[in-house]
Amino acid sequence: DTGVSQDPRHKITKRGQNVTFRCDPISEHNRLYWYRQTLGQGPEFLTYFQNEAQLEKSRLLSDRFSAERPKGSFSTLEIQRTEQGDSAMYLCASSFNSGAETQYFGPGTRLLVL
Amino acid sequence: QKEVEQNSGPLSVPEGAIASLNCTYSDRVSQSFFWYRQYSGKSPELIMSIYSNGDKEDGRFTAQLNKASQYVSLLIRDSQPSDSATYLCAVNTGGAGSYQLTFGKGTKLSVIP
Repeated sequence: DTGVSQDPRHKITKRGQNVTFRCDPISEHNRLYWYRQTLGQGPEFLTYFQNEAQLEKSRLLSDRFSAERPKGSFSTLEIQRTEQGDSAMYLCASSFNSGAETQYFGPGTRLLVL
Repeated sequence: QKEVEQNSGPLSVPEGAIASLNCTYSDRVSQSFFWYRQYSGKSPELIMSIYSNGDKEDGRFTAQLNKASQYVSLLIRDSQPSDSATYLCAVNTGGAGSYQLTFGKGTKLSVIP
């Protein structure tokens, strides 16, 4: 049973560029979450999918951010017109609908916007 | 705003001692509580989950929950240098049908050999 995987692990981009991150959850996990973590802070919730449906979105998720999970398997998070304030670690987690809802995190994608 | 508070530390304990990490939360309806360990530059790793008042033990780790006081703690017995990390308290604060976690800022633990 492989864990949550994320790609790329690191991304450096220039301000104004678009970036896309991918997350592959643990197989058979039907719930997938995106969080963002900046230095010295805990992860902050961005959005959550159950299968292909996006059920929750944080107010942190501005209109420059969009997330998809088209077939209920992998998910993508796109940031358009990146800003320096978007520099952070983007974490993906998944869980199985078992009542426990324990979320398991992937290794994260570290984004640096220059 | 729903908050989760932790002492940021650093908390230093000698090897072999008990490390005690504390967390308070503001949302009374929270039902699920988690402790994650995060090494520098790495992603959070689940240590313990707890849902009912009282103690839950797993190896050297014991989680304690007191919903009346809105308090959850983690005890690490026989602390090892490899336990040196940031410990994140996470609470399910989204209410019924929601699964988002709210994290504290974490407590940095240093175990001194």
